[in-house]
Amino acid sequence: DADVTQTPRNRITKTGKRIMLECSQTKGHDRMYWYRQDPGLGLRLIYYSFDVKDINKGEISDGYSVSRQAQAKFSLSLESAIPNQTALYFCATSDPSGSGIQETQYFGPGTRLLVL
Amino acid sequence: SQKIEQNSEALNIQEGKTATLTCNYTNYSPAYLQWYRQDPGRGPVFLLLIRENEKEKRKERLKVTFDTTLKQSLFHITASQPADSATYLCALRMDSSYKLIFGSGTRLLVRP
Repeated sequence: DADVTQTPRNRITKTGKRIMLECSQTKGHDRMYWYRQDPGLGLRLIYYSFDVKDINKGEISDGYSVSRQAQAKFSLSLESAIPNQTALYFCATSDPSGSGIQETQYFGPGTRLLVL
Repeated sequence: SQKIEQNSEALNIQEGKTATLTCNYTNYSPAYLQWYRQDPGRGPVFLLLIRENEKEKRKERLKVTFDTTLKQSLFHITASQPADSATYLCALRMDSSYKLIFGSGTRLLVRP
């Protein structure tokens, strides 16, 4: 979805390096998410943010940190990358409906990360 | 433990046939269930949502059913086309949580 962009699209790094993945959106949504996808495991939530001042851990936040610089920007950092963080990373946004429960998520194109 | 399961084996069907994909869950009480399509190298794209009090939802050639007794959702694509080939993900959302829980997806291959 062109409304949600991720940079870089591909990244190779070495164990111990700090890296940052960036996400920008033009949808005007308050809610943003970071997921990782591994073969056979589906999408797993790393962190989510409901507005600029709200950051929450997901199910697999260890080894990751995030920053919500603005409504439109949500970045994910790996403080000291390790090989088992090799995965496909997706950013997503959502906008709650009036009821607050019918949220469709809009995903970026993903970042393929390889940690050597 | 809580699980959401989709068939990990690819579904291979002939063009024009109906594809049926299954999503089973245990130890969840979802408020609603969503289906997404994911193409290689791309992010998932939302297709349909069905609420816990709905039995069936349709959109063009797509149909989703939701059986909270069986804890199962079925996703049907009628008159399938090679362009329907992709991985299809189901996702649950509970009333008490703002998070979506995703299955691992089933790959559909439609042969011309």
